Amino acid sequence: AQKVTQAQTEISVVEKEDVTLDCVYETRDTTYYLFWYKQPPSGELVFLIRRNSFDEQNEISGRYSWNFQKSTSSFNFTITASQVVDSAVYFCALGALNSGGSNYKLTFGKGTLLTVNP
Amino acid sequence: DAGVIQSPRHEVTEMGQEVTLRCKPISGHNSLFWYRQTMMRGLELLIYFNNNVPIDDSGMPEDRFSAKMPNASFSTLKIQPSEPRDSAVYFCASSLGSGNTEAFFGQGTRLTVV
Repeated sequence: AQKVTQAQTEISVVEKEDVTLDCVYETRDTTYYLFWYKQPPSGELVFLIRRNSFDEQNEISGRYSWNFQKSTSSFNFTITASQVVDSAVYFCALGALNSGGSNYKLTFGKGTLLTVNP
Repeated sequence: DAGVIQSPRHEVTEMGQEVTLRCKPISGHNSLFWYRQTMMRGLELLIYFNNNVPIDDSGMPEDRFSAKMPNASFSTLKIQPSEPRDSAVYFCASSLGSGNTEAFFGQGTRLTVV
């Protein structure tokens, strides 16, 4: 079975602070995919990044960076110099083969509510 | 591309009524997902289709829920009869692959059953 755990339910920071959102996953597959999505107060879900299990290279995109550690089954997300507009719920997701082994199934964590205060 | 289109955006219905939610995926995407989001349970995958075929409906809560995808450009999620505990935001998403590529979400349908 596949599982995604986001242990931090809520995080509150002051603008310009750096913040890291944790994500731990479980899967027996050797090939799998990891994602982060953002859900701002308006409610839509916005795709941020995808990584596959064979690519452990960390990625940076502007103020966003992702740290993929296969050894600890973690895919953490860091926002540098946070801004009020970063306030949202952030979801980590895992794409792994379903029980039939024929198709990938996308499973989401429960999300982390990030509040950035001015 | 217009993105994933869901309708209606909001639905208020009385308990016992039939509710039909609609989704138009992004053209060319061959996987479609229905998710339900509540405060208590987060984002739950209800069912997903690959090439219009239902692959995994293990997340469908009860027989009251059914989903169809008659063609590559349309899907419905039906609840009959609806109950207050079905109140949630229902999202449709589509992707090129079923879980190995990013899924793009519609804006959701907020369902309230009174």
